[in-house]
Amino acid sequence: KNEVEQSPQNLTAQEGEFITINCSYSVGISALHWLQQHPGGGIVSLFMLSSGKKKHGRLIATINIQEKHSSLHITASHPRDSAVYICAADLRNKLIFGTGTRLQVFP
Amino acid sequence: GAVVSQHPSRVICKSGTSVKIECRSLDFQATTMFWYRQFPKKSLMLMATSNEGSKATYEQGVEKDKFLINHASLTLSTLTVTSAHPEDSSFYICSARRGGPGTEAFFGQGTRLTVV
Repeated sequence: KNEVEQSPQNLTAQEGEFITINCSYSVGISALHWLQQHPGGGIVSLFMLSSGKKKHGRLIATINIQEKHSSLHITASHPRDSAVYICAADLRNKLIFGTGTRLQVFP
Repeated sequence: GAVVSQHPSRVICKSGTSVKIECRSLDFQATTMFWYRQFPKKSLMLMATSNEGSKATYEQGVEKDKFLINHASLTLSTLTVTSAHPEDSSFYICSARRGGPGTEAFFGQGTRLTVV
């Protein structure tokens, strides 16, 4: 069993839909990272959180430390949100990555 | 946010030659940098942790003589793929953090290596 599990693996949506990506981890962590990888390969850090909730524009990330679970929400999705979203558990200065969620948003 | 610059973004080389990839933190000092490899449609695989002024720490199964890492300054780490073979063709990406665990990680743009 992977230490970091993400779901779903693939997700398609119509523009404007509300999107949720889930991440569960089985290890004790100092923080949980949400990353976005575009088709060209570059990775952008979206959030780093160790408790509660963070919001940036249309993106919201939440974490429940007791349940070892985090979610990434995208409100009013847009085709430019199409990318691979990766959660990563921060464990003793190493990042343990989930397998990623490939999101496609159609106009 | 902080910027990590990786160069080159794409390189094609002949079998048997060596290729150097640079990773620079442009606006902060990074005592630790990380090198990852990514296979198509797979997640990132940590290859090694690059420590400024000391030897890199390699993950199990990664050949240190094959993938040479040098972290000569607080803003530059290099990965050299020596005697490259077609099976080394992959996407390589570096990252750096301002501090230790629980600090944000910043990633380079990645390098797509093709060995012919």
